Parts: sequence; C-alpha cells; structure tokens
Amino acid sequence: GEDVEQSLFLSVREGDSSVINCTYTDSSSTYLYWYKQEPGAGLQLLTYIFSNMDMKQDQRLTVLLNKKDKHLSLRIADTQTGDSAIYFCAESGGRTGFQKLVFGTGTRLLVSP
Amino acid sequence: GAVVSQHPSWVICKSGTSVKIECRSLDFQATTMFWYRQFPKQSLMLMATSNEGSKATYEQGVEKDKFLINHASLTLSTLTVTSAHPEDSSFYICSARGLRRSYEQYFGPGTRLTVT
Repeated sequence: GEDVEQSLFLSVREGDSSVINCTYTDSSSTYLYWYKQEPGAGLQLLTYIFSNMDMKQDQRLTVLLNKKDKHLSLRIADTQTGDSAIYFCAESGGRTGFQKLVFGTGTRLLVSP
Repeated sequence: GAVVSQHPSWVICKSGTSVKIECRSLDFQATTMFWYRQFPKQSLMLMATSNEGSKATYEQGVEKDKFLINHASLTLSTLTVTSAHPEDSSFYICSARGLRRSYEQYFGPGTRLTVT
C-alpha cells in the first residue's frame, strides 16, 4: 500500500537551517506537500511541488524532490522559535487517486533559542 | 484567502449523546470536503470524502451510521457523531478543496471532542 515515512523528531538552534526529510513509496504520486501543525490547531499548507519539478523555493522554504529515490525534503532557512511545530509531508495523485492526501507520520521540530 | 472554519473548537458530551461538528469554507466554494481524525501524537486518518450534493464516501473501517456526513452546500459540511462513546474522543479536522487549484487542500482548525 501507499506509505509515507518521516523521522519523528528534529531539534535545531535558532538561526540554523532545518532539514526535514520524507520518503514515499508510490512512484506515481503527482503532488507532494508540506503542512505545518501547531499544538491544538489544524494544518497549514506551507508549500507543494509537482512531481515534474526538482526544486521549489518560497522565501525561507526550499523543497527538494528526488523522484528516483522517492525522497522529499523541506529546508527552513534561519529557523525561528515560531517554526516549532509538527511538519507533515503528504502526497496525492498516486494510486489512492487525485482526491486523497496520504500523510506521513509527522516530524516534530523543536527550535531552541 | 482559502480559509476553512470549524465549529465548535472543542466539545464535551456525555456517552450516548450525539454531537454535530460544522466545517465551513469562508471565502471559496468547496466542491469536496474531507473529514479526518487525529489521535495524540499521530498522523491524520482520513475518515470520509464528501462532494456537494452527493453521499459521502467512507474509508474502510469507518462506520457510516456512526459518523454521519452531510455536505448540503458548497460552503458547509457537517459531521455528526451519533451515540458517542469515550473511544470516539479525538481531534476531528476537516479540509476543503475548491474548483480552482483543486490540488490544494485547506484545513480547518480542528474540533476536540471529549466523551465522558
């Protein structure tokens, strides 16, 4: 079945760069997303990338996609304490169809001052 | 733009009662809405997909008679947890997708349900 995996935890110091990694199994995935969830809140769409792209940059966020290895990463430059949250990667357009999002397990990012 | 609201944000109810949760797209028409459930420190589990004016499609293992979904308009979907039990206590999150940029899904802030 479809599977999206992430490391559970990442700790960085304020001002450093954070890199959150994600691997997926469905090679037919069309869209790959990064969402942010703060405690007790819903999910905020941060950015997404189409499968025919290798990289997308949006202000402090850089998404890299290695389609051959089915590996997605999110780099946050100049990480701030307000970036502390859980980050979910998700994919759609693969075997589960265009409508559904398949979520990863989530990575808890802790930013210390 | 692309704001989704949920009401209530939290609710406590007694076992055996029913609870209704509303999900609204505030500034766009949502042709499709999704309902998720999230347990503490876990990822989101898709419960059902609803398209406006038609019956919801439930994921395997989700009881359709227990979790009633109504998507009566392009801006409103409701989830009713019927005859709630303590094991139904969870964080319920809805999301919505519009016609334009339909590959983007926007999430509500979630509703925490506690059944006593």
